[in-house]
Amino acid sequence: TQLLEQSPQFLSIQEGENLTVYCNSSSVFSSLQWYRQEPGEGPVLLVTVVTGGEVKKLKRLTFQFGDARKDSSLHITAAQPGDTGLYLCAGAGSARQLTFGSGTQLTVLP
Amino acid sequence: NAGVTQTPKFQVLKTGQSMTLQCAQDMNHEYMSWYRQDPGMGLRLIHYSVGAGITDQGEVPNGYNVSRSTTEDFPLRLLSAAPSQTSVYFCASSYSGLAGTDTQYFGPGTRLTVL
Repeated sequence: TQLLEQSPQFLSIQEGENLTVYCNSSSVFSSLQWYRQEPGEGPVLLVTVVTGGEVKKLKRLTFQFGDARKDSSLHITAAQPGDTGLYLCAGAGSARQLTFGSGTQLTVLP
Repeated sequence: NAGVTQTPKFQVLKTGQSMTLQCAQDMNHEYMSWYRQDPGMGLRLIHYSVGAGITDQGEVPNGYNVSRSTTEDFPLRLLSAAPSQTSVYFCASSYSGLAGTDTQYFGPGTRLTVL
């Protein structure tokens, strides 16, 4: 079973601060996805990264896939209260099965 | 489009009772799946289906049954509920189910408590 470890588990910051969330594994993933989940709702896909070293930007969010495709990071610039939520990384454990990390609960205080 | 819908939203069961969690999607997706989400453990795959009549086990299938008689519906059955099955259950669908590349669309979840 391929495992994905996310850190930190909890993060509470003030509006305007920057932050980075990490997703690490000892296994190689062919691709990796990041989802955001808000209370009482299902996860929503933010981005998919496929190539080692790939960097994708989504407004104030920057996603990076490690060169060896074993890790990924999510960087948020100038966080806003609307960024509050549970951030989940997920990798392809097999062709039909996604393996999810345990998640990072982000709270951005106004 | 309603997307992925799940019923009920909340459910309380007693140990040993059975029930069915309903899931439907109106996007004509071939792939559907069930996850459970527990605190500190992310989402774990229970069962999945790559099309009508085809199902397979995920990471944590014990105590759950599924069937896929139509493209739209993918019910999850708990045969004899146990307190360890207290969790939030999410149904998801995607066009092809290619993990890690295809977009998974999740339903709003069912919060189940087993006493």
